[in-house]
Amino acid sequence: GAVVSQHPSRVICKSGTSVKIECRSLDFQATTMFWYRQFPKQSLMLMATSNEGSKATYEQGVEKDKFLINHASLTLSTLTVTSAHPEDSSFYICSARVGGSRELFFGEGSRLTVL
Amino acid sequence: AQTVTQSQPEMSVQEAETVTLSCTYDTSENNYYLFWYKQPPSRQMILVIRQEAYKQQNATENRFSVNFQKAAKSFSLKISDSQLGDTAMYFCAFATGGGGADGLTFGKGTHLIIQP
Repeated sequence: GAVVSQHPSRVICKSGTSVKIECRSLDFQATTMFWYRQFPKQSLMLMATSNEGSKATYEQGVEKDKFLINHASLTLSTLTVTSAHPEDSSFYICSARVGGSRELFFGEGSRLTVL
Repeated sequence: AQTVTQSQPEMSVQEAETVTLSCTYDTSENNYYLFWYKQPPSRQMILVIRQEAYKQQNATENRFSVNFQKAAKSFSLKISDSQLGDTAMYFCAFATGGGGADGLTFGKGTHLIIQP
């Protein structure tokens, strides 16, 4: 199946700093990628849809100035958590579709801990 | 908006037994897709099985099969001959059909524990 890679897998930062998480589709081109957030023992909540060459579409309640998404190429989307606070600590997962498939392929996830 | 409901937060069965995880959904769409994803302790999301709503035949993948009841909006997952490696969180998910670039809507998940 298609491979989606996420980096870093774990990151610890101080409160007030910014953190960037990368999501790459390794063997296919993804015009659309999705960013999810998952709290411990909870489900995945869609944060935003990342569109190559255009602005991301954010879900209701997600602060677009806090969570900056850039889809610079057909194989790379980045999520930057700006001025991170402890409440931003979470597991962030990216995903992408292959062509017209409705199936999503997921990255390995990134665990962010803000001290 | 679509909703996906998984009413079993946790289930536990003995190895080699058969277990069924329930999922119901609500939508006004007629063309859509349903999925079961597995999330083991590694947190990597893995597709278990998928079902297109226009197909009447239930999907099957080796030990995994679904019971898709479109009128009842029910999509249960049956795992036969369960194995220790099946221990994981299982998420039911919904996607609309057509060309929309929307993400999946997930249920809250069922934590399945396979006991030796």
